[in-house]
Amino acid sequence: GAGVSQSPSNKVTEKGKDVELRCDPISGHTALYWYRQRLGQGLEFLIYFQGNSAPDKSGLPSDRFSAERTGESVSTLTIQRTQQEDSAVYLCASSWGLSSSYNEQFFGPGTRLTVL
Amino acid sequence: GDSVTQMEGPVTLSEEAFLTINCTYTATGYPSLFWYVQYPGEGLQLLLKATKADDKGSNKGFEATYRKETTSFHLEKGSVQVSDSAVYFCALSRDYKLSFGAGTTVTVRA
Repeated sequence: GAGVSQSPSNKVTEKGKDVELRCDPISGHTALYWYRQRLGQGLEFLIYFQGNSAPDKSGLPSDRFSAERTGESVSTLTIQRTQQEDSAVYLCASSWGLSSSYNEQFFGPGTRLTVL
Repeated sequence: GDSVTQMEGPVTLSEEAFLTINCTYTATGYPSLFWYVQYPGEGLQLLLKATKADDKGSNKGFEATYRKETTSFHLEKGSVQVSDSAVYFCALSRDYKLSFGAGTTVTVRA
C-alpha cells in the first residue's frame, strides 16, 4: 500500500511568514510523529499523536510551532512567524499504536523548508 | 537525557571493502537500538534493530550487536556495494520517541 506522504516537498518562504506542512500517514496507523532535521544534524523529535490521546508536544521548540491531527489521519504542522533557524527538513512518520514492544516508524520523504 | 553519538563522515570506500560505523549511546535503562538508512532521494528506512543486550540485528548483509557493557551498537558490513551508498543513522527509542545520531554519509566507489 501507499507509504507516508508529505506535502509540499519543498517550501521557500520569507522570514515572518506562516507555513503549513502536511502529512498523510499510512492507513490504519494510529500513531503519528513529527521530526526536524537540521543540516548536518540528526533528527529531533517534535510532537507525537496517538489515537485520541492528548499529543506529546514536549519536543516543540517554541510556541510558534503547533500541530493538529484529524482523527487518525492527516496531520498539519504549522510554524508561525518563521525564522531563519527554522530552515530544516521536516519529517513525518507513522506506526501502529503503542504495545509492549517497539512499533516500527515509517517515514515520509520530508518537506524541505527554507526561510529567507 | 538520551543521546546517540556516531562516527562522523563522510566515509568513502571501494566496492567489496569492509565497512564499520561506530555508534555509542547514553541512556538510562535498556532502550531499543536501531540503524536507519536514507538512500539518495528516498525517505528514512529501518535497516535493522536490536531490542535487548547481546541481540544482533541483521539485514541486507549489515549487522550490529547491542553491547550493554560498552553502550555501543556498531554497524558492519563485510563487502559493500555501490548501492550501499547512503546516509546511515544510529538511533535509540525511549517508549515511542526516537533519538538519532547526526548521520554518517557513506559513498562506495566502483
